[in-house]
Amino acid sequence: GQQVMQIPQYQHVQEGEDFTTYCNSSTTLSNIQWYKQRPGGHPVFLIQLVKSGEVKKQKRLTFQFGEAKKNSSLHITATQTTDVGTYFCAGSGAGSYQLTFGKGTKLSVIP
Amino acid sequence: DAMVIQNPRYQVTQFGKPVTLSCSQTLNHNVMYWYQQKSSQAPKLLFHYYDKDFNNEADTPDNFQSRRPNTSFCFLDIRSPGLGDAAMYLCATSRELITGDRAQETQYFGPGTRLLVL
Repeated sequence: GQQVMQIPQYQHVQEGEDFTTYCNSSTTLSNIQWYKQRPGGHPVFLIQLVKSGEVKKQKRLTFQFGEAKKNSSLHITATQTTDVGTYFCAGSGAGSYQLTFGKGTKLSVIP
Repeated sequence: DAMVIQNPRYQVTQFGKPVTLSCSQTLNHNVMYWYQQKSSQAPKLLFHYYDKDFNNEADTPDNFQSRRPNTSFCFLDIRSPGLGDAAMYLCATSRELITGDRAQETQYFGPGTRLLVL
């Protein structure tokens, strides 16, 4: 079955440093979504990438989808304490609306 | 305004005592999902409804059942909870997927029900 690997599992950064999490799928994806889950909260949708090589930005967040549509990354520039949480990627294959989640990257930001 | 509502937010049950978790949505979405999320882990899909069609994941234990009496409501029944079933249970919804390379509708998650088994 489809597997989605996400690294690193944990990341501790000093406030103001950059942060990147990477996602790799065992199969070609039709799209990939990114979610953020605050401690004690539920996953909240951030963005969806559909096209090969697509890059999207949301303020300090930059999302990329690989040319082969098998990998993706989320980069946060100049982290803030409000960025704390676990970031999940989740992908689905062609013809499926079921998401396969990566294990998430837990981000801690040291003030 | 809340779009995906889960009740209760916290549920305590005894080992082996049946428990039902509920989810309702105001989005009129066709698809409803139930996920189990244990501490520091990714959400794990248990099953989903596509309209009235029930789709079970292969590794979902028989102990877990679901009902969807109408578009807005979906229930998760745990017939005989064990200690290993203590987790956060997340309900999510999405509209009908347009397949292929076209965009999939995002999944909207409810706040979750945290289940404790004593």
